[in-house]
Amino acid sequence: DAMVIQNPRYQVTQFGKPVTLSCSQTLNHNVMYWYQQKSSQAPKLLFHYYDKDFNNEADTPDNFQSRRPNTSFCFLDIRSPGLGDAAMYLCATSWQAGGTDTQYFGPGTRLTVL
Amino acid sequence: KNQVEQSPQSLIILEGKNCTLQCNYTVSPFSNLRWYKQDTGRGPVSLTIMTFSENTKSNGRYTATLDADTKQSSLHITASQLSDSASYICVVSPDSGGGADGLTFGKGTHLIIQP
Repeated sequence: DAMVIQNPRYQVTQFGKPVTLSCSQTLNHNVMYWYQQKSSQAPKLLFHYYDKDFNNEADTPDNFQSRRPNTSFCFLDIRSPGLGDAAMYLCATSWQAGGTDTQYFGPGTRLTVL
Repeated sequence: KNQVEQSPQSLIILEGKNCTLQCNYTVSPFSNLRWYKQDTGRGPVSLTIMTFSENTKSNGRYTATLDADTKQSSLHITASQLSDSASYICVVSPDSGGGADGLTFGKGTHLIIQP
């Protein structure tokens, strides 16, 4: 019973070619997050949505954008991927923000940039 | 600056043995601490969550302890199994009630169980 689903699981793109990663949830949670995780590093929060309110982290590059068309879906758009953007991208959800609720993570999308 | 330090970075033990992973944090004020298990190539899965008033919490063969005075937590794994091979991430939430960016993640301990 998948609760947070990410597609695709593996994505290969070319340097500079836009790519979109997808996340959907069956939990009806208010909050959806996108994290970037590089090898042997902690996940780094890129941004999150509380319902339709978008919250961008201060150090998230402009190259990264997000859309949340409805409660269930959230997309991560990388406008011009660079080699340094190769990473695992994790989507997570929680009922409330503020760190009091457990975040449920999807399986991740591994992005390769050629 | 809020920080979460985990040790060791990596650990190899034989199947059936016990092990203990450490987490030290500087987050203050403190709301709760979570341990996540992350299998290779997968997203993290929550194992335990503790508030500052809780000293210990168990989930099957996993037992987490918390000392809020010394700002230390440990995750003890009993009778390890091959499926325990994973990264274990400590995540601390401040008592600010404000924003997802309040979570501080450790880098994780990479645990390998050998047959």
